[in-house]
Amino acid sequence: AQSVSQHNHHVILSEAASLELGCNYSYGGTVNLFWYVQYPGQHLQLLLKYFSGDPLVKGIKGFEAEFIKSKFSFNLRKPSVQWSDTAEYFCAVNAAGGTSYGKLTFGQGTILTVHP
Amino acid sequence: EAQVTQNPRYLITVTGKKLTVTCSQNMNHEYMSWYRQDPGLGLRQIYYSMNVEVTDKGDVPEGYKVSRKEKRNFPLILESPSPNQTSLYFCASSLIAEGTDTQYFGPGTRLTVL
Repeated sequence: AQSVSQHNHHVILSEAASLELGCNYSYGGTVNLFWYVQYPGQHLQLLLKYFSGDPLVKGIKGFEAEFIKSKFSFNLRKPSVQWSDTAEYFCAVNAAGGTSYGKLTFGQGTILTVHP
Repeated sequence: EAQVTQNPRYLITVTGKKLTVTCSQNMNHEYMSWYRQDPGLGLRQIYYSMNVEVTDKGDVPEGYKVSRKEKRNFPLILESPSPNQTSLYFCASSLIAEGTDTQYFGPGTRLTVL
């Protein structure tokens, strides 16, 4: 069974600081990886995703993530955060291909608070 | 407008009183799924459906039922709700044929079981 671990429960930054949120997964096969964001009072939205190819993926709003297969990691980064990035961020994984990819596993979430 | 809708958005009920939360999508998506979100636990998948009449258990299926009789609808049924099912529930859908597996989420249903 797959699992996802997000190491930081709550991250507090000032505007313009750089961001890196950790995500590690456990699964024995090929995976698809996602980062979702949930702004206060809203539902989840996809930030970016990795299926194959270039391990450095770029998403919306200046976010990017790097898949490091040897470390089973998919960390989210942004060089300069804004107050509007305050939200909860979720890493997720599913098995690539086959019929089991329908099972999507999320991490516990990381709350990001950005102070003006 | 492409969207996933859920009803009701808020529900307070009592232990043992059967309830159904509806989920509908207008994007002709084959795949639909239900999650519950609890503080500190993130989202946990309850059930998912790859297509009409095809459903499978997620990580936390106990106490829930689902059905997929039509492509657009995927209701979540709690036959005998208990207080530990108090949670925020999200429905999601995606188009399997795209191969992208991007899931579109509904607005959520906040359920309180007394």
